[in-house]
Amino acid sequence: GQNIDQPTEMTATEGAIVQINCTYQTSGFNGLFWYQQHAGEAPTFLSYNVLDGLEEKGRFSSFLSRSKGYSYLLLKELQMKDSASYLCAVKNGVREGYQKVTFGTGTKLQVIP
Amino acid sequence: ETGVTQTPRHLVMGMTNKKSLKCEQHLGHNAMYWYKQSAKKPLELMFVYSLEERVENNSVPSRFSPECPNSSHLFLHLHTLQPEDSALYLCASSQGQGRDEQYFGPGTRLTVT
Repeated sequence: GQNIDQPTEMTATEGAIVQINCTYQTSGFNGLFWYQQHAGEAPTFLSYNVLDGLEEKGRFSSFLSRSKGYSYLLLKELQMKDSASYLCAVKNGVREGYQKVTFGTGTKLQVIP
Repeated sequence: ETGVTQTPRHLVMGMTNKKSLKCEQHLGHNAMYWYKQSAKKPLELMFVYSLEERVENNSVPSRFSPECPNSSHLFLHLHTLQPEDSALYLCASSQGQGRDEQYFGPGTRLTVT
């Protein structure tokens, strides 16, 4: 079966750095996504990792270790607008013409002044 | 319009009603998805269509009936729903190849009374 674990809630201070962890157990791993979802809005794509290592994109970075079933999302220079839920999602298997993704429950991040 | 749109944004229906949710994508994508999002639960995949063919049905009760008349439009027909079906219903689309991140619509907030 598929299992994805991430903390339910986190609080961090404006201007600081926060790391949101995600661990997973899955068969047929084929990549890991991070999505951001503001309250009442649609999830939006942040990052994708399929190989081990760090992917950096501006203030956001994402890391993957496939052997450990572990990923993290790193947010630097936090801003108030970063208050949102962050969803970890694992792509399962290889499919022709579409993908099947299992989502975690999401980590609700609150940025405080 | 651009991206993925969904109508209606809010829907209240009785258990004996029949209603439909509509999704439209303007991205030229080949795959479309229906998800259910309930409080404190991960996004649950319901149905996947690839090039207008249903390729995944995640053990969804028959009171939910999807329809994909073409690659840009997706419907979810609802009938004799239960109060526990109250949730946010999200539509998404993806290219169907490569990284294949999903683009989500704003969702329909459904309340079953």
